[in-house]
Amino acid sequence: GAVVSQHPSWVICKSGTSVKIECRSLDFQATTMFWYRQFPKQSLMLMATSNEGSKATYEQGVEKDKFLINHASLTLSTLTVTSAHPEDSSFYICSAAKGVGYTFGSGTRLTVV
Amino acid sequence: ILNVEQSPQSLHVQEGDSTNFTCSFPSSNFYALHWYRWETAKSPEALFVMTLNGDEKKKGRISATLNTKEGYSYLYIKGSQPEDSATYLCAREAAGNKLTFGGGTRVLVKP
Repeated sequence: GAVVSQHPSWVICKSGTSVKIECRSLDFQATTMFWYRQFPKQSLMLMATSNEGSKATYEQGVEKDKFLINHASLTLSTLTVTSAHPEDSSFYICSAAKGVGYTFGSGTRLTVV
Repeated sequence: ILNVEQSPQSLHVQEGDSTNFTCSFPSSNFYALHWYRWETAKSPEALFVMTLNGDEKKKGRISATLNTKEGYSYLYIKGSQPEDSATYLCAREAAGNKLTFGGGTRVLVKP
């Protein structure tokens, strides 16, 4: 079946530094990838939609200069949290469209200290 | 209904018992309803994608129904087993492939 590999699974970083999260589709080509985040006791919320070879589309309220998304190939999308602050601490997860459904990565727990 | 809502938030089920829980969603601009099973530290596993009013789908002991007119879906687990313990997520897909998730129902099956 379709697999999306997400790394790292968890990361702790200092306030002000940047963190990159990678999502790779292992056995299929992902033209479109989606990035979500989940704060404690809340639902998964869509942050942005990335299309291979073009600029990402961000949801309202998500800062595009803070959350940089690159989708340079059909198998790799990255999310970089720039100048991270404690309020960016959250669970981030990607998904890729596959057929009529979506395949998810296993998520990244980001803690900014 | 403005958002996707799931109830209950959590439930405990005795092994062997059957259970069900609900996903409510806005019926306007509806494209599909997705159900996922999510275990801690793993990727959400797709269970069902339903699009038509009255759809019923089954996978082993798990089944789901869909009512798009009134905006709800039920997920049923028959004869619960400890391995059914997980968080079950539903997500409404609107035009443009955007998924809106509910908060999930955490199921704990007690041996």
